[in-house]
Order: sequence, then C-alpha cells, then structure tokens
Amino acid sequence: DAGVIQSPRHEVTEMGQEVTLRCKPISGHDYLFWYRQTMMRGLELLIYFNNNVPIDDSGMPEDRFSAKMPNASFSTLKIQPSEPRDSAVYFCASSLGGQASYEQYFGPGTRLTVT
Amino acid sequence: AQSVSQHNHHVILSEAASLELGCNYSYGGTVNLFWYVQYPGQHLQLLLKYFSGDPLVKGIKGFEAEFIKSKFSFNLRKPSVQWSDTAEYFCAVSYGGSQGNLIFGKGTKLSVKP
Repeated sequence: DAGVIQSPRHEVTEMGQEVTLRCKPISGHDYLFWYRQTMMRGLELLIYFNNNVPIDDSGMPEDRFSAKMPNASFSTLKIQPSEPRDSAVYFCASSLGGQASYEQYFGPGTRLTVT
Repeated sequence: AQSVSQHNHHVILSEAASLELGCNYSYGGTVNLFWYVQYPGQHLQLLLKYFSGDPLVKGIKGFEAEFIKSKFSFNLRKPSVQWSDTAEYFCAVSYGGSQGNLIFGKGTKLSVKP
C-alpha cells in the first residue's frame, strides 16, 4: 500500500486566497484525521471522520476552515480566506476500526505558507 | 483539560549515550499510550504503543517505554543512541476509548552528535 497520500506537499499563497488540501487515506481504513502542526502549539487535531461522516470538528479553529469527505478514498481541508497565522504543516492520518484503530498512519504533510 | 507533557524540548546526546525522554499525561482513567517519531523531512511513524498487559513495551529500532500508572508516565528509553536516531519524538495518549481523542505532546527534538 502506498500509505496516506497528501497533496500538495508545499503550498505558498497570499492572504485572502482559498487553499484546498487533499488527502487519500489507506484503502480499507474507515477513520480519517486532519491535524495541524506549528512550533507554538504542536500537533492539534482539527477534525476526524468515521465512514465519511464528521465525528468531531471541535478542533477546527474557525469558520474559515472546512473539511469534507465525499467518499472513502478522498478528503479535503479548505481554508477560505487564508491568513498568515494559518501557516503550518497540515497532516492527514487514517486508521482502522476496533482497538487497532488507535494506531494512526500519517501522511507526509502539506507545508502551507500564507504571505 | 486532558493534556500530555513532554519535559524536554531539545535533547542533545553523543552517540552511544543512553536516552530517556519523559512523558506525563493528566487523565486518571483508561488510556492508550503511543510514541511517534518524525525523522527530518518525513511524516510521523509509530515507534511503539501500549494498550494493556506488560507495562514495559518494546518498539522498533531498540526503543522501549515503560507505563507507570501511579506516576501517569510513559517514558521512552534507548540504551545506546545512534546518529540516525536524530528526530523529533512525540508522546500521544488516547483517553477512555474515544477513537479520535488522540492528544499529542509538543514533542522532543533529539539531536545525536556523531
């Protein structure tokens, strides 16, 4: 298996622009997570899905952030409009159900820079 | 609020030195414990995990961790580090069976001098 795939790997955009980050989870995994990593706050869980349904989005910082999972093999995280404080590395992770579900497999991340 | 604390922000060691990275969590109930490693420029990878049973857990690359419930701790150890262990190490905890509630510490950067 190719693992969790994220695109793009790097994104540089100007303040006010819309940014869309993409994730393809490992085939067969039914949980998908979006995290944000910054120096100041470390790794933060933004939102997670189970069987394509959002379960907990309490970590989404504000209404400018939205996430969707239209099917089992694809998810997006959108920021509109983007701000410089959104600059971070965004990770997607996926896992199986059951006790093994606690082991999350991470993608390579998208490094977002908002100028 | 539930939290995970990693005591050291940056640890610098020489090769062959012993390593111990501290991790404490705040919750007194059922927990699952993990250590993840992030090598430079790479994604997070699972190093080891504890769900139940023997509190001394062995992971990949010679790492081990000990769960001490009375101290709310899950410290990571390696008897002899190598230059290739240079990475950032994250402790993570999931509480009470909640699937998504995986809380990470802020990480400890380990630099190993050759």
